[in-house]
Amino acid sequence: AQSVAQPEDQVNVAEGNPLTVKCTYSVSGNPYLFWYVQYPNRGLQFLLKYITGDNLVKGSYGFEAEFNKSQTSFHLKKPSALVSDSALYFCAVSHTGTASKLTFGTGTRLQVTL
Amino acid sequence: DAGVIQSPRHEVTEMGQEVTLRCKPISGHNSLFWYRQTMMRGLELLIYFNNNVPIDDSGMPEDRFSAKMPNASFSTLKIQPSEPRDSAVYFCASSLSQGQPQHFGDGTRLSIL
Repeated sequence: AQSVAQPEDQVNVAEGNPLTVKCTYSVSGNPYLFWYVQYPNRGLQFLLKYITGDNLVKGSYGFEAEFNKSQTSFHLKKPSALVSDSALYFCAVSHTGTASKLTFGTGTRLQVTL
Repeated sequence: DAGVIQSPRHEVTEMGQEVTLRCKPISGHNSLFWYRQTMMRGLELLIYFNNNVPIDDSGMPEDRFSAKMPNASFSTLKIQPSEPRDSAVYFCASSLSQGQPQHFGDGTRLSIL
């Protein structure tokens, strides 16, 4: 079985400040980890992924995420938040045995204010 | 490049009616996925296809739901008969191959009265 936890329903941050959106996972085997963003009335958009290699993954729009195997975490980060980053963020996991079958977290709403 | 195209964007119908949702994946993508999103249950995978063949339909809630992929460029999700609890946003996604990022359409917002 595979699962993802996003412990925060909402994260509030001021524009210009760093942001972190948390994600922990549980899989058997090596994980494939993804972050997606969803804007209102739109589908999910891919931000970044970790399959193997460097633990720090850089993605679209200045976002990055750090894979931590010992803590089974894959937190999303950005050094300086923008108001336009306000959206719903989803972490997702699969593994080498079920590479296509993603399990999504419940989502974290990011609110960036001036 | 055209992304994943879903139609219709909105559908309102009365319970008991047949509903057909349509999806055109990105050209060259081998995997296609149908998801359902609701406030209560979040994002759920209903079924996915590899090379037009259904691989896992364990997420299909009931026999009232069926999905087909007659060719590489078209898929349908059908609900017959529809019920109010089927109201949700239904997303189609495609990916180049297993393990690659999925690209989502903008969804069909379905309301069953």
